[in-house]
Amino acid sequence: AQSVAQPEDQVNVAEGNPLTVKCTYSVSGNPYLFWYVQYPNRGLQFLLKYITGDNLVKGSYGFEAEFNKSQTSFHLKKPSALVSDSALYFCAVRDTGFQKLVFGTGTRLLVSP
Amino acid sequence: DAGVIQSPRHEVTEMGQEVTLRCKPISGHNSLFWYRQTMMRGLELLIYFNNNVPIDDSGMPEDRFSAKMPNASFSTLKIQPSEPRDSAVYFCASSLAHREGAGYTFGSGTRLTVV
Repeated sequence: AQSVAQPEDQVNVAEGNPLTVKCTYSVSGNPYLFWYVQYPNRGLQFLLKYITGDNLVKGSYGFEAEFNKSQTSFHLKKPSALVSDSALYFCAVRDTGFQKLVFGTGTRLLVSP
Repeated sequence: DAGVIQSPRHEVTEMGQEVTLRCKPISGHNSLFWYRQTMMRGLELLIYFNNNVPIDDSGMPEDRFSAKMPNASFSTLKIQPSEPRDSAVYFCASSLAHREGAGYTFGSGTRLTVV
């Protein structure tokens, strides 16, 4: 069965500092991995995804994520955080051959000025 | 494309009333998903459809909940009778099934309050 873990309920970072939001996954086959962001009173918005190829994936708003197969991780990163990055971030995994995305519980990112 | 469109954006109803939430997926997408989001339970998948056919409704909490997809461009989620514990934000999402690496596109959600 597919599963995703986001071990941190909340991540606090000062503006201008690098940020990391952690995600680990479990699938039986090859994973498709996604990050979504949710701003207050909005739906989830796609940030980036990993399908195959380069382990470093670049996405919207300067975010990137690194796929690490040996550690079964897909951590979200940004070199310099902005206050406007404050939001709820969801990691999701889809196993090849399955249609359902399985979402993590979400990590709230708070960027202080 | 206008994206996934949900209506209404907000719904306030009294306990016992019937509530119908609506969703129009992205044109050409053949998978549709209904989610519920609450502080306590996070994001829960309620049901999903492929080519208008319900595939997995194991997340539907009780018989009070029902969902239909009469055609490729419209789906409804109905709660009858509604209860205060149904208060949540309900999201619809659509996707292109069997496309490698396809993700979901979410609507803006319907915030349901049952008083």
